[in-house]
Amino acid sequence: AIQMTQSPSSLSASVGDRVTITCRASQGIGNGLGWFQQKPGKAPKLLIYSASTLQTGVPSRFSGSGSGTDFTLTITSLQPDDFATYYCLQDTTFPYTFGQGTKLEIK
Amino acid sequence: EVYLVESGGGLVQPGGSLRLSCAASGFTFSSYWMTWVRQAPGKGLEWVANIKWDGGEKHYVDSVKGRFSISRDNAENSLFLQMNSLRVEDTAVYYCARDRTAPAHWGQGTLVTVSS
Repeated sequence: AIQMTQSPSSLSASVGDRVTITCRASQGIGNGLGWFQQKPGKAPKLLIYSASTLQTGVPSRFSGSGSGTDFTLTITSLQPDDFATYYCLQDTTFPYTFGQGTKLEIK
Repeated sequence: EVYLVESGGGLVQPGGSLRLSCAASGFTFSSYWMTWVRQAPGKGLEWVANIKWDGGEKHYVDSVKGRFSISRDNAENSLFLQMNSLRVEDTAVYYCARDRTAPAHWGQGTLVTVSS
């Protein structure tokens, strides 16, 4: 199975900051990568699919980039609602695999 | 609006079986791949299985192959996950989700606890 290595595992930031989360695939996956946000006790929410396409209704401060093995999720101008855990998912090769998650906390 | 409602979770002993259901509404169920994802308490997300719109293609994570079976009833707009030979490490919230790739629609999840 393709391994997804997500970093950092946790991150402290302040409202208004720009943050970047990365995911590295153990082999090339083209642009088959999605990013999810999850808050405690809630289902994940899709933010980005196909590495860089913003899901309908998601604020434009979220963006994704990358292809092949290296991907990034960038959040510009952090808002209070953005403090959550973020996961990447490779959806190119079965079995699909998630990264281990990045917990974004308020500094 | 898309609605996905899971049911069937509960407490089961190791080696036991459980069948999860996901009732779908708000979209043409028979046109979409469907997916199961789980999350152990305090842990990350794990993709479990998915099934093509006609049931003709199924995929599983290695850790559940031979024990879990995904199926669907398009006439009843329902998705299922039959879980046999359950292990303590299968304890998790199980989510059903719509779409073959990065799912945009999720249920609220159902908790499965495997414990003696």
